[in-house]
Order: sequence, then structure tokens, then C-alpha cells
Amino acid sequence: TQLLEQSPQFLSIQEGENLTVYCNSSSVFSSLQWYRQEPGEGPVLLVTVVTGGEVKKLKRLTFQFGDARKDSSLHITAAQPGDTGLYLCAGPPINDYKLSFGAGTTVTVRA
Amino acid sequence: DVKVTQSSRYLVKRTGEKVFLECVQDMDHENMFWYRQDPGLGLRLIYFSYDVKMKEKGDIPEGYSVSREKKERFSLILESASTNQTSMYLCASSTSGYLAGANVLTFGAGSRLTVL
Repeated sequence: TQLLEQSPQFLSIQEGENLTVYCNSSSVFSSLQWYRQEPGEGPVLLVTVVTGGEVKKLKRLTFQFGDARKDSSLHITAAQPGDTGLYLCAGPPINDYKLSFGAGTTVTVRA
Repeated sequence: DVKVTQSSRYLVKRTGEKVFLECVQDMDHENMFWYRQDPGLGLRLIYFSYDVKMKEKGDIPEGYSVSREKKERFSLILESASTNQTSMYLCASSTSGYLAGANVLTFGAGSRLTVL
């Protein structure tokens, strides 16, 4: 059983549509990170959220950390084909220093 | 541009062979990690090292060993490869401490291993 559950597992949308990816846990996390992995490459960090309730924006991507620090979401506005990839959430649970990873959400944006 | 380099992008080995996966980072990071990535399972930690010659087991260490003789290099060894070790292997590094940026992983491009 994974500590971080991501949903949905797959998401296929048309260019210009919006999408949201969820990352949930029953455990409290010190922080949460979001990575994007493109085919044939390793994951690349997009953002780290640290404070409960924090919202961070990265161009068309909005990241939110839940008030209780047990969940996070990634919202993409007006998705573009360049947003295609595997999105992974990860974080160290409280009292641990090792990262736990979600299984990932594969996002496909069709032109 | 800082990076983590995995020397072999694709390998095909036979069951029972010894396999070495090499990883080098140029960021002077203290921590280095080996993960395997399988569809639907995400990234699972095999081993990590927080200093030269130091190592700790991750969540799935069985069938693997590691070596860290120099700070910049972390090797993953499969003593006797088996078909269930066919996977994508990702090396990563991070700095230590509690400052912003600590515990953030920089990944290599991955090594896809097929064991026949």
C-alpha cells in the first residue's frame, strides 16, 4: 500500500482544457514535492509546498497543499501538448526523512 | 548545468549475470539514491547513501547491493540478475539539512534494464 495515493492514474484531454491531479494520504507530511517526468527522462522538480494551505503558481500550473498537510493538488489551466508527461507527488512523512512517492498520473494533452 | 549522469541508458542481460549500474553527480551532494520505477507502482527506493562508504536499505533492497567509494559516484549491483528485476532504474542525489532545497531530488535520465 502506497503512502501517497494519486488520482486519476491516467488523464487524456484536449489542448485548452483544464485538469486537476490529486495526491492524498492519511499521513501528515513535512512538505510535498511535485515532479514531472517526460518519456525517456528522469523526473524533474516542479515545486515544493511546505506550509499547510499554501498555494504556489508556476505559469499555468497551480499547486495547493492541504491545510492538514495530508493532501495536495495540481491544477493546469489551458493545458498544452508540452504539459504531457507523468506527474509524481512525493514527500517526507513527519518524523521521517525519506521521500515517499505516489504512483503517478499520466497526463496526455492532445493537440 | 548541474546533473546526475547514469552511464548506461539501456542494458540487456541474461538471468544470472552480474550487473553494474553506475551513477555520477557533479553537485557535491551528500545524499545519493537508487530507485526502480515500474508502471502503476511509482518509484520504490532500493538503497540510499548519505555519505561516502555509508549505505542504508530502502524499501526493496533484496537482490541488490550498492557501493559508494567516492562522494560523486554511487553504484547499484545486481549480483545475479533475475527476470523480475527488469525495470527502469533511476539514480538521484540531494543535499542534506533542513534549509529550502534540501531533500529535493535531482534525477538521472534512467537506465532501462531488461533481463532475459
